[in-house]
Amino acid sequence: SQKIEQNSEALNIQEGKTATLTCNYTNYSPAYLQWYRQDPGRGPVFLLLIRENEKEKRKERLKVTFDTTLKQSLFHITASQPADSATYLCALVDSSYKLIFGSGTRLLVRP
Amino acid sequence: GAGVSQSPSNKVTEKGKDVELRCDPISGHTALYWYRQSLGQGLEFLIYFQGNSAPDKSGLPSDRFSAERTGGSVSTLTIQRTQQEDSAVYLCASSLVRQGSGGASDTQYFGPGTRLTVL
Repeated sequence: SQKIEQNSEALNIQEGKTATLTCNYTNYSPAYLQWYRQDPGRGPVFLLLIRENEKEKRKERLKVTFDTTLKQSLFHITASQPADSATYLCALVDSSYKLIFGSGTRLLVRP
Repeated sequence: GAGVSQSPSNKVTEKGKDVELRCDPISGHTALYWYRQSLGQGLEFLIYFQGNSAPDKSGLPSDRFSAERTGGSVSTLTIQRTQQEDSAVYLCASSLVRQGSGGASDTQYFGPGTRLTVL
């Protein structure tokens, strides 16, 4: 069956450290993958998109990698800040162009 | 407006009643999407509009759910004879073009959602 999985346990890190979130998928061959941030009571906000032929994409303190062999994307936030605390969702586009979301990982950055 | 808006922000209803949820997408966005998010869960795709037509209704959970879009703009999601399992946050998103081009133009912009509680 097709699955997209993110760690359901919250990631709790100290301010200034690098946060690394994982997204794994099975039985999909996505042309690209997106990462979103969601704050409580709000809709998701788009952060980054990475295509299947790209290994890595950066935007300010954010870095995303995409390994189509491992079927995995990693999302990194360097020099993390308490304001980075939120739930981070990965999403991939399936063959019928639907955006399929993972259930998200909650990040808590302690001051 | 500058972003996607949804109304109402909260809706409490009794089991068996019908509800209508509204979405105002970003002006000029041709594609519109409805999702459902249950507590602690990811987003579940419900339906997608391109203009006023819905080429993909595959995510609608039952025939109690329907949606329409008029004038290529506002969309309403209607749930008839609501059940307690319909309780969730219903999110609407819009994009300039249909999802799938892989470019910035198909980035989805989400509204704040409508929290539906069925008692």
